[in-house]
Amino acid sequence: AQSVTQLGSHVSVSEGALVLLRCNYSSSVPPYLFWYVQYPNQGLQLLLKYTSAATLVKGINGFEAEFKKSETSFHLTKPSAHMSDAAEYFCAVISGNTPLVFGKGTRLSVIA
Amino acid sequence: SAVISQKPSRDICQRGTSLTIQCQVDSQVTMMFWYRQQPGQSLTLIATANQGSEATYESGFVIDKFPISRPNLTFSTLTVSNMSPEDSSIYLCSVEGTSGRSEYEQYFGPGTRLTVT
Repeated sequence: AQSVTQLGSHVSVSEGALVLLRCNYSSSVPPYLFWYVQYPNQGLQLLLKYTSAATLVKGINGFEAEFKKSETSFHLTKPSAHMSDAAEYFCAVISGNTPLVFGKGTRLSVIA
Repeated sequence: SAVISQKPSRDICQRGTSLTIQCQVDSQVTMMFWYRQQPGQSLTLIATANQGSEATYESGFVIDKFPISRPNLTFSTLTVSNMSPEDSSIYLCSVEGTSGRSEYEQYFGPGTRLTVT
């Protein structure tokens, strides 16, 4: 069965600092991987996805993620955090015909 | 991408009652999904709804508690029946992208925030 583990339920960074949100997956077949963002009182918005093309994926709002098969990881990064990046971030995986499975989420706080 | 709306956006209900949540999509889609997000938790898939067939429920969710309708390719409803405080959650519907570039992507509605007292 596929699964997603997000390390750190809460990450706090200073404005302008590097953002790193960690995601590790487990899948018996090549996965498709996603990062979603949820702003307060809103639904989920797709940030980026990996679908077996380039391993470095660029998304919206300056975020990117790198698929590393050897480490079964898909960590999300952004070089410089903005106050507007404060939100909940979810990593998700789908493989084969299984439904999309979400990690528990990481809440990102940005300190001025 | 698809634009998805949900009604109501939030509600406060008494235990033992039922609430029907509506989900409307701006384009025709084959599959629609219903998720539950309990307070401070991640999303859990309740069921997948295909037009013209019975919904497929995930482990731990049953049709008597969460009946789903899918009358056409742009609309679905989820009913939360005989509610208890444990049903207090955000309920989200989503659809899958249909074009090549959006394959496997899912787009989410804004959610319905339900509080059961």
